[in-house]
Amino acid sequence: DIQMTQSPSSVSASVGDRVTITCRASQDISSWLVWYQQKPGKAPKLLIYAASSLQSGVPSRFSGSESGSDFTLTISSLQPEDFGTYFCQQVKSFPLTFGGGTKVEIK
Amino acid sequence: QLQLQESGPGLVKPSETLSLTCSVSGGSITSSSSYWGWIRQPPGKGLEWIGDFTHTGDTYYSPSLTSRVTISVDRTKNELSLKLTSVIAADTAVYYCARRNRNGWSNDYWGQGTLVTVSS
Repeated sequence: DIQMTQSPSSVSASVGDRVTITCRASQDISSWLVWYQQKPGKAPKLLIYAASSLQSGVPSRFSGSESGSDFTLTISSLQPEDFGTYFCQQVKSFPLTFGGGTKVEIK
Repeated sequence: QLQLQESGPGLVKPSETLSLTCSVSGGSITSSSSYWGWIRQPPGKGLEWIGDFTHTGDTYYSPSLTSRVTISVDRTKNELSLKLTSVIAADTAVYYCARRNRNGWSNDYWGQGTLVTVSS
């Protein structure tokens, strides 16, 4: 199975700050990496697919990048509505696996 | 607009079978551009992929659940179903059904989720 190691587990930042979240894959997954945002009591919401493609309707302050087996989700200017937990997922091969999540809090 | 809605018992006794249905509206569950699957989330924890049903009728399951899980599709009702046998307390979770789009193979549409508690 491909393990996805996500860091940090939590981050507290101010409105306007730049926030970065990282996922590292234990094997090569090419660009088969997805990012989701989840708010309390809600289903996850797709943000980024194929490592760097922005899902329709998602604000452009969200972006994804990759460097080898490391994948990064960046929020360029944190907004109050960006609180929640962010998860990465590899969709390269079965079984699909998620990272452990990063909880983003607004200071 | 595609919509997914999970339904089923909210309480299941240990050793019994958990059965959930996902009703799909606004699109066909037989679409060749989609996979359909289940994901669960224990209270306060992360996401766990359970399995996928492909447009060709193939199924893929989590290795930790493969001996107990069945995912199937009823094309006449446009529904996806999940059966998990011999449940234990650790199976208590919010269960989501979701579509995986061929474009990036990401889960782009999700149901709202349904909490299933395993308890006597």
